[in-house]
Amino acid sequence: GAVVSQHPSWVICKSGTSVKIECRSLDFQATTMFWYRQFPKQSLMLMATSNEGSKATYEQGVEKDKFLINHASLTLSTLTVTSAHPEDSSFYICSARPQSRNEQFFGPGTRLTVL
Amino acid sequence: SQKIEQNSEALNIQEGKTATLTCNYTNYSPAYLQWYRQDPGRGPVFLLLIRENEKEKRKERLKVTFDTTLKQSLFHITASQPADSATYLCALMFSGGYNKLIFGAGTRLAVHP
Repeated sequence: GAVVSQHPSWVICKSGTSVKIECRSLDFQATTMFWYRQFPKQSLMLMATSNEGSKATYEQGVEKDKFLINHASLTLSTLTVTSAHPEDSSFYICSARPQSRNEQFFGPGTRLTVL
Repeated sequence: SQKIEQNSEALNIQEGKTATLTCNYTNYSPAYLQWYRQDPGRGPVFLLLIRENEKEKRKERLKVTFDTTLKQSLFHITASQPADSATYLCALMFSGGYNKLIFGAGTRLAVHP
């Protein structure tokens, strides 16, 4: 149980294009989902907290107009990187927290490369 | 300033020995502390959660201790196996809000046959 999927697992795009990443909780409902970014050999950095039916809460320094988050249902959240640039290349990971539990369950991550 | 510190150097141990990883933090008062395993190119996998009022938690070959006075958690893997080789992350969670996690940078463990 507690499986989280991400799609796509990797994506290569040209600078200036937008990329959408999906995060799904497959066997549980998650009122809260989180989006992280991880650079090589570094820790996971929380970008934003996504709640179903409401606006996402962004961490300091994360541009909400660049990283659009939509939490459409209790099992789906999407992250859209708008007008991507090479410095946005990173490993993006989502997590979902089941209702009434404190653990977070992570997706397998999406490797974004912007040329 | 607020910090979470894990040994940045890799920990190399022999198969069968006990691995001990350390997580220290400053200027935080977490309600929970969690440990995750991360393999290269993959998302973290939840291992254990310990509450601020708990001293120790066990799960199979894993043991976690939590000392809120020292602001330290120790993570032990007994009878280690090469398959335990991975990066282990500690994360602090705070009560209230949406229970977001703040992660340490992780310690890479290598278990040699």
